[in-house]
Amino acid sequence: DVKVTQSSRYLVKRTGEKVFLECVQDMDHENMFWYRQDPGLGLRLIYFSYDVKMKEKGDIPEGYSVSREKKERFSLILESASTNQTSMYLCATDSLRTGGSGYTFGSGTRLTVV
Amino acid sequence: GQQLNQSPQSMFIQEGEDVSMNCTSSSIFNTWLWYKQDPGEGPVLLIALYKAGELTSNGRLTAQFGITRKDSFLNISASIPSDVGIYFCAGRVLYSGGGADGLTFGKGTHLIIQP
Repeated sequence: DVKVTQSSRYLVKRTGEKVFLECVQDMDHENMFWYRQDPGLGLRLIYFSYDVKMKEKGDIPEGYSVSREKKERFSLILESASTNQTSMYLCATDSLRTGGSGYTFGSGTRLTVV
Repeated sequence: GQQLNQSPQSMFIQEGEDVSMNCTSSSIFNTWLWYKQDPGEGPVLLIALYKAGELTSNGRLTAQFGITRKDSFLNISASIPSDVGIYFCAGRVLYSGGGADGLTFGKGTHLIIQP
């Protein structure tokens, strides 16, 4: 089974801090995604990547950036954290080599910005 | 981006009751997926459907791929306390050449079970 590991389950950061959320997968999947989840809004795509050093904006990229220097690792960066970025962040991976059966999600990072 | 219309948004039911939820789309998908998210965890795939009209079961869960390819349904029979969570539908288009669009998600159905 694919394992998708998010480095922190809970984070508390101060407004203005630079925040790094890390996601690591162990099954050589080419596609990786970052979502945020808020009550009533569902899953909203922030950024995704189809390959090393490649990145594409999702639906809500403002205030975020990403880095994918290695295939197994996809980092989400909050350049200057703000309180409206308090949310649950979910990383997901996908590979069309497995038939496109769907994404595998990490356990999530619940970020609170104070 | 596009989101699917998933309903109901939340359900309050008694233990032992059956549950039904559905997802509709304005566009066609050739793959429908259902995920469950336990409190404090990431979503986990429950059922994947690849053919219009397909009916697939996973224990007490049954999902159907609508004939129009624009909708899907999930039923849970005889609910138990561990069924609590958020259920997401997702649609996808897989292409014969091997490519695929990304998943389009519904906003989720929050299932709450009263003992």
